[in-house]
Amino acid sequence: EAGVAQSPRYKIIEKRQSVAFWCNPISGHATLYWYQQILGQGPKLLIQFQNNGVVDDSQLPKDRFSAERLKGVDSTLKIQPAKLEDSAVYLCASSLEPAGEQFFGPGTRLTVL
Amino acid sequence: SQKIEQNSEALNIQEGKTATLTCNYTNYSPAYLQWYRQDPGRGPVFLLLIRENEKEKRKERLKVTFDTTLKQSLFHITASQPADSATYLCALVGNTGFQKLVFGTGTRLLVSP
Repeated sequence: EAGVAQSPRYKIIEKRQSVAFWCNPISGHATLYWYQQILGQGPKLLIQFQNNGVVDDSQLPKDRFSAERLKGVDSTLKIQPAKLEDSAVYLCASSLEPAGEQFFGPGTRLTVL
Repeated sequence: SQKIEQNSEALNIQEGKTATLTCNYTNYSPAYLQWYRQDPGRGPVFLLLIRENEKEKRKERLKVTFDTTLKQSLFHITASQPADSATYLCALVGNTGFQKLVFGTGTRLLVSP
């Protein structure tokens, strides 16, 4: 069974530039999550989708971050414009049911210069 | 405020010994708690889930306890091996309102041969 796929694995941009991350969850998983993990910290939930609807985006900085999950399958997370403090690993995860066992992708390491 | 606390200092132990990691929480009423392992450059991997009405859960060399009175979970690895070296994250799901997973900061375990 294929795991959660993410791309790119690494991205370096300058502040005020835009960036987009892509995630393909495990087939059949209705719940998809995007987390931000800053070095030395645990993952912080940015947004949670149930199929193609948003169920929680309370910690998403909506002035610069956006996410969508078209057709309830893969998802993109965008940052526009990026700030230095956005440097982190962005993890995508999926699960069969909300807050159940989560399967994580390898993450995208973003460096903002 | 709500907090999930794990020892931020790395735990160093000798191969063959039992490693014990602690997860303390405040101002939460968790429905259940999960433990994940994270290796450098990778996403977290699910290990165990324990519910509020369960005192203990085991899986091979792993054991998790959950004490809702002390507001604490302990994670044990018996007969530890160098391959167990990683960061271990606990995560809680509350029993009220919207169910989402909230992660602690993780504890790094180093097992020396």
